[in-house]
Amino acid sequence: NAGVTQTPKFQVLKTGQSMTLQCAQDMNHNSMYWYRQDPGMGLRLIYYSASEGTTDKGEVPNGYNVSRLNKREFSLRLESAAPSQTSVYFCASMRQVSYNEQFFGPGTRLTVL
Amino acid sequence: DAKTTQPTSMDCAEGRAANLPCNHSTISGNEYVYWYRQIHSQGPQYIIHGLKNNETNEMASLIITEDRKSSTLILPHATLRDTAVYYCIVRVGGVTGGGNKLTFGTGTQLKVEL
Repeated sequence: NAGVTQTPKFQVLKTGQSMTLQCAQDMNHNSMYWYRQDPGMGLRLIYYSASEGTTDKGEVPNGYNVSRLNKREFSLRLESAAPSQTSVYFCASMRQVSYNEQFFGPGTRLTVL
Repeated sequence: DAKTTQPTSMDCAEGRAANLPCNHSTISGNEYVYWYRQIHSQGPQYIIHGLKNNETNEMASLIITEDRKSSTLILPHATLRDTAVYYCIVRVGGVTGGGNKLTFGTGTQLKVEL
């Protein structure tokens, strides 16, 4: 199993550009999450999808949209990137019936100039 | 979810036990204590969790005080590869309306040295 995969690994955008961060998991997990981590900070939840077909806002949703494309894939979209969105973005998944462990992807390092 | 307090940083000699404390004085009866770690720039990794009993797995041991207001993560024989930021998280266990979200603080930077 590949676990949780994220693409791209690195991205540089100009202010106002848009992009979509992709996340996929092959563990048949029901719940998926998007976090951001700024330098020297802990992770903050942007959006999550408790199950296929549902999405909910987390702590810092402004400036982002998400799509739970199917059970495997959960994408994060920046419609008009801003320098404040420069961060490392982590995707995670969790098996709904087991509330113990979230599995994280390797992260996408995004810089907005 | 209850808030947690952890030291900013700790050092440990390789081969010795690393004891990482966490205070969660406002923890409620249905909240579990979870520990994750993040090795430089990688995604966080689950270590262990517990409710009130001490727990042990192949990675670590978790000691929770009887009043549940604090806990200690123990890495019995720390190695250089255990150098990481360790996060103590308190959260209601089981499936909830919140979708099993994790709230990360700034954690403890553990540095294991020769």
